[in-house]
Amino acid sequence: EPEVTQTPSHQVTQMGQEVILRCVPISNHLYFYWYRQILGQKVEFLVSFYNNEISEKSEIFDDQFSVERPDGSNFTLKIRSTKLEDSAMYFCASRVQAFGTDTQYFGPGTRLTVL
Amino acid sequence: GESVGLHLPTLSVQEGDNSIINCAYSNSASDYFIWYKQESGKGPQFIIDIRSNMDKRQSQRVTVLLNKTVKHLSLQIAATQPGDSAVYFCAENIDYGGSQGNLIFGKGTKLSVKP
Repeated sequence: EPEVTQTPSHQVTQMGQEVILRCVPISNHLYFYWYRQILGQKVEFLVSFYNNEISEKSEIFDDQFSVERPDGSNFTLKIRSTKLEDSAMYFCASRVQAFGTDTQYFGPGTRLTVL
Repeated sequence: GESVGLHLPTLSVQEGDNSIINCAYSNSASDYFIWYKQESGKGPQFIIDIRSNMDKRQSQRVTVLLNKTVKHLSLQIAATQPGDSAVYFCAENIDYGGSQGNLIFGKGTKLSVKP
């Protein structure tokens, strides 16, 4: 069964450093998302991406964040200058555009630890 | 946004019993609802979904009930098994087809199954 994959599984970085989190969505999916989950809290929407541009973003997704689909398979989330409060699990999700199908499938996540 | 902190509602059931997990959603405009299961250290896993034009949907051991009058969603798991132990999140989508499916997650309930 096809699945969303994410790398790395765990990323440790120093405050102020740039990180890039990578995702490979399911191959026939057209919508892509990033969510984050701070330890013990609920999953929060960051950004959605369709047709090579951002569709919608939350208040969390400020100028320090960017997303890119550099080729036909990868979808990346970049944090330009990490802060301590960016420590969280980051989940990528994808969805196929088809009438009657809205299910988003999530990857296993990348645990980001900012020291 | 609302801070949930580290405390999750917990439901403890005996193996073989039925489980009912409840969720209240906030926006009457939401028209698509999903239940996700999250095991420790993993991403949310799709369980079942329901659209606002339905009030009940079943898939194998799992049933979702939607009460739009009181904005309430429930997940029923029949004959609960130890493998069902996880945190369960409901998620809602506002403006189906318009907002590209950005999910709003609920707080989560931890299900613990005793053998």
